Amino acid sequence: GEDVEQSLFLSVREGDSSVINCTYTDSSSTYLYWYKQEPGAGLQLLTYIFSNMDMKQDQRLTVLLNKKDKHLSLRIADTQTGDSAIYFCAERDTGFQKLVFGTGTRLLVSP
Amino acid sequence: DAGVIQSPRHEVTEMGQEVTLRCKPISGHNSLFWYRQTMMRGLELLIYFNNNVPIDDSGMPEDRFSAKMPNASFSTLKIQPSEPRDSAVYFCASSLATGTNEKLFFGSGTQLSVL
Repeated sequence: GEDVEQSLFLSVREGDSSVINCTYTDSSSTYLYWYKQEPGAGLQLLTYIFSNMDMKQDQRLTVLLNKKDKHLSLRIADTQTGDSAIYFCAERDTGFQKLVFGTGTRLLVSP
Repeated sequence: DAGVIQSPRHEVTEMGQEVTLRCKPISGHNSLFWYRQTMMRGLELLIYFNNNVPIDDSGMPEDRFSAKMPNASFSTLKIQPSEPRDSAVYFCASSLATGTNEKLFFGSGTQLSVL
């Protein structure tokens, strides 16, 4: 079945760029997503990319997709302490409409 | 719109008791998902409904778990009898299934503690 993997932790200083990486197994995924979870809250959609794109930029967020390597990344420019959260990548199961989520990467931004 | 509404926010119960978690999806959404989040297993899909019909319940851990969606604006997840290993955060999410892009909107979750 589908499998989505992420590193567990990332620590950066305020003002630096953060890069969160994700690998997935389903080469036929049509959409890939990044969700953010703040403490005590549900997941919130940050951005998504269609599989025929290599890159998508949305303000401080840049999503890069390497379909050949099945690798997805999220770059956050000028990281702020408010960006501290858990970030999940997800792929859309092409057989069904459900999303398969990664394990989540906990981003800690220090002043 | 108020978003996906879950109740209760916190539930503490004793082993063996019945637990019912509730969810109100976003009005107009036709798909509803129940997820469970734990430190050990991350985010797991338990079951999802499309137009009130259960489509995939392969993630439901065992017969102690059941979910219903009697109408488009309400769903329940029931655990009977509850066990300590059921302690987790349970999320409900809804979406408007268009056959292409699937954007899920999550509730704030129910923190369940089974003692």
